[in-house]
Amino acid sequence: KQEVTQIPAALSVPEGENLVLNCSFTDSAIYNLQWFRQDPGKGLTSLLLIQSSQREQTSGRLNASLDKSSGRSTLYIAASQPGDSATYLCAVRGTDSWGKLQFGAGTQVVVTP
Amino acid sequence: NAGVTQTPKFQVLKTGQSMTLQCAQDMNHEYMSWYRQDPGMGLRLIHYSVGAGITDQGEVPNGYNVSRSTTEDFPLRLLSAAPSQTSVYFCASSYNKDRGDYGYTFGSGTRLTVV
Repeated sequence: KQEVTQIPAALSVPEGENLVLNCSFTDSAIYNLQWFRQDPGKGLTSLLLIQSSQREQTSGRLNASLDKSSGRSTLYIAASQPGDSATYLCAVRGTDSWGKLQFGAGTQVVVTP
Repeated sequence: NAGVTQTPKFQVLKTGQSMTLQCAQDMNHEYMSWYRQDPGMGLRLIHYSVGAGITDQGEVPNGYNVSRSTTEDFPLRLLSAAPSQTSVYFCASSYNKDRGDYGYTFGSGTRLTVV
């Protein structure tokens, strides 16, 4: 069974610092990996999707890398801002898991002004 | 383009009552799924569907029923509500090969309290 782990569970940084969030998964047979953001009491907003054949994806200040063979993905957020404070979740879709996502527990990020 | 629409946003039920949580998507996605999110437990899959007429159980299916008669709609039925079903419920959809749409889109959630 696929297990997805996110480390650290919580992170606090001063404004302007770069954020590095880690996601690891136990089964490398994945179709894609998706990073989400969740604000308190709100739904999930998709940030980046990386297909299994890709090494990275970028959107503005966000960059996500994928190393399928070692079962790891990293989300980088450059020059953090207080508005980046949220919980960040990674989710993996397996090659034999049609229609199913396996989520990590998330990293709670606080960016202090 | 509304994405994934969930109704209601909030609901309070008494133990033993039944209700249906509605979910609709307008992206012509093949896959739809229901998750529940509980503190300390993360997001857990309840039921999912890979196309109209096809459904299957996820990690925590007991006490819930689903059906998918159309591509757009995927309602979740609580048969006899229990306090353990107090949670936030999210519907999600994915996969439109013609549009190259492979990621998941989530609804805004239904906050359910069973008393």
